[in-house]
Amino acid sequence: EYVLTQSPGTLSLSPGERATLSCRASQIVSNSYLAWYQQKPGQAPRLLIYGASTRATGIPDRFSGSGSGKDFTLTISRLEPEDFAVYFCQRYGSSSSLSFGGGTKVEIK
Amino acid sequence: QLQLQESGPGLVKPSMTLSLTCAVSGGSISGHSYFWGWIRQPPGKGLEWIASIYFSGNTYYNASLKSRLTVSVDTSKNQFSLKLSSLTAADTAVYYCARHYYGDTYFDHWGQGTLVTVSS
Repeated sequence: EYVLTQSPGTLSLSPGERATLSCRASQIVSNSYLAWYQQKPGQAPRLLIYGASTRATGIPDRFSGSGSGKDFTLTISRLEPEDFAVYFCQRYGSSSSLSFGGGTKVEIK
Repeated sequence: QLQLQESGPGLVKPSMTLSLTCAVSGGSISGHSYFWGWIRQPPGKGLEWIASIYFSGNTYYNASLKSRLTVSVDTSKNQFSLKLSSLTAADTAVYYCARHYYGDTYFDHWGQGTLVTVSS
């Protein structure tokens, strides 16, 4: 079974601080087929990053993705009030490899 | 601007079949570059991909749900549908429809989601 483990479960930070979120895969993610989403309460997820490091259309440059192999990171350089949300990673590629991580909640400290 | 809108019953009884439809506007479901998918999220939990379908009817399913699933597309109405049978309380979730590229299964457009509760 392919598993994506996100850590920490909750990140308590203040506006203006840097957020570093981790996503670790149980198997190598081929071609860096790793995406990140942001989800706010009562809303659908929004695509932030695909291909591990490519920002989706309209995503501010304070969001950046990095990593390869099994270890990936989403960094928010300076938290804005609207960035407090839950973040999910997703492995993609073939249908058998389409899975999501459990999420990291970024909350206001 | 592409929009997706889910519709279906909010409450379904156990053992029954759930039927949901996703209406696509602002773009054609027959675009050769895209698949159309279903994802669900139990209350307070993470996301689970359910299935994806191409305009031609080519489909692929989450193996853990495949035996209970039927996904179809209606290009004349620009919509696609999901049927999930033998429902239990574990199927209670917000169900989202979304779009992904033919080769890259990350979801770039999502519907707002619809909450389905399985309860007698």
